[in-house]
Amino acid sequence: DTAVSQTPKYLVTQMGNDKSIKCEQNLGHDTMYWYKQDSKKFLKIMFSYNNKELIINETVPNRFSPKSPDKAHLNLHINSLELGDSAVYFCASSQSTSGSLNNEQFFGPGTRLTVL
Amino acid sequence: GEDVEQSLFLSVREGDSSVINCTYTDSSSTYLYWYKQEPGAGLQLLTYIFSNMDMKQDQRLTVLLNKKDKHLSLRIADTQTGDSAIYFCAESLTGANNLFFGTGTRLTVIP
Repeated sequence: DTAVSQTPKYLVTQMGNDKSIKCEQNLGHDTMYWYKQDSKKFLKIMFSYNNKELIINETVPNRFSPKSPDKAHLNLHINSLELGDSAVYFCASSQSTSGSLNNEQFFGPGTRLTVL
Repeated sequence: GEDVEQSLFLSVREGDSSVINCTYTDSSSTYLYWYKQEPGAGLQLLTYIFSNMDMKQDQRLTVLLNKKDKHLSLRIADTQTGDSAIYFCAESLTGANNLFFGTGTRLTVIP
């Protein structure tokens, strides 16, 4: 069984469109994350979220918004897509919450977004 | 944000040892991690070390931590072609949820 899954695996779309990437974890974890990996493979946190708080990396444009219908899902919605949004987006989850020690995170397979 | 630095590329011959280095700036790190990313795949946790430890060994993997110099290394013994991947070090900080990742080191194993 897949622990952290994302759909779609590939997403090609035009500039200006709105799109969503879905993430689901079946590990019973409390906290979920979205990371962005650019073309140089640099990996940066975008959001972390548990059912109590959303922490946003201040560099993330407000066109990006995480939406969590329940504890097992954290979807990423992107408005008005731009060329620079092209990247691989990884979802992750962990059992820990803020202040805990071991923050082992389990990653999804990634969604490659290409904006034309 | 935190600075976690790695060399971008490393090439080794099959059977040799690989040493991938990582430096970080924040001394409040609690755990430090090594993740492996194979082409087109997600990140797989290889190993981690608590910040009050100096060394951790797990089969072919040895992690060394020099907390004074804020330097972390991953040694892979008897490197195999299947070890070719990008290796990311990451740190978690006290009171923070997310991980701060290094720039990644692309390891190429030459047969």
